Amino acid sequence: DQQVKQNSPSLSVQEGRISILNCDYTNSMFDYFLWYKKYPAEGPTFLISISSIKDKNEDGRFTVFLNKSAKHLSLHIVPSQPGDSAVYFCAASTNNNDMRFGAGTRLTVKP
Amino acid sequence: DVKVTQSSRYLVKRTGEKVFLECVQDMDHENMFWYRQDPGLGLRLIYFSYDVKMKEKGDIPEGYSVSREKKERFSLILESASTNQTSMYLCASSPTLGFNTEAFFGQGTRLTVV
Repeated sequence: DQQVKQNSPSLSVQEGRISILNCDYTNSMFDYFLWYKKYPAEGPTFLISISSIKDKNEDGRFTVFLNKSAKHLSLHIVPSQPGDSAVYFCAASTNNNDMRFGAGTRLTVKP
Repeated sequence: DVKVTQSSRYLVKRTGEKVFLECVQDMDHENMFWYRQDPGLGLRLIYFSYDVKMKEKGDIPEGYSVSREKKERFSLILESASTNQTSMYLCASSPTLGFNTEAFFGQGTRLTVV
């Protein structure tokens, strides 16, 4: 059973609008959360992270929100750009240093 | 620049062959990981290692083994390749997670077992 879930396989937004990607997790031991971006034929690249002691982390156009009570996190991209089109993976880790990923959400930003 | 290098981009092997996938990182990272990526399933953790000669099973270790004899190298071994092991394999490394650090990935190895 997957411990990290991304229930939306795809998302399409208009350039300039907000993209919101969602992620849920089941393991309450997770204490560090990450978002990765992946283009075809490349390995995932790190985008942004948040530790469990925070509820928000912002880096430029990217903001990650963490709701621990709901075991839910989201990635907001504002404004969305066509170059943001990729597959986005949510990941979570415990202090055992393992790292689990969700199934990914394919974001398409239309010009 | 952190570099994680996987020995092959594409590999075709026959059923029953023993297959070695090699991964090398140049940043002195403690942790190394092997994942496989399949459509609709995302990245699933096969094995990870937090130190030389240490290994931990991930979510889908069956049919795989690993070796970490040196800190910079983490090998994934398919003891007897089967067609259901056809997949994209991704290696990653990181310093100890939980200290505001991230994992860095290699470019992936697309393995086809025929």
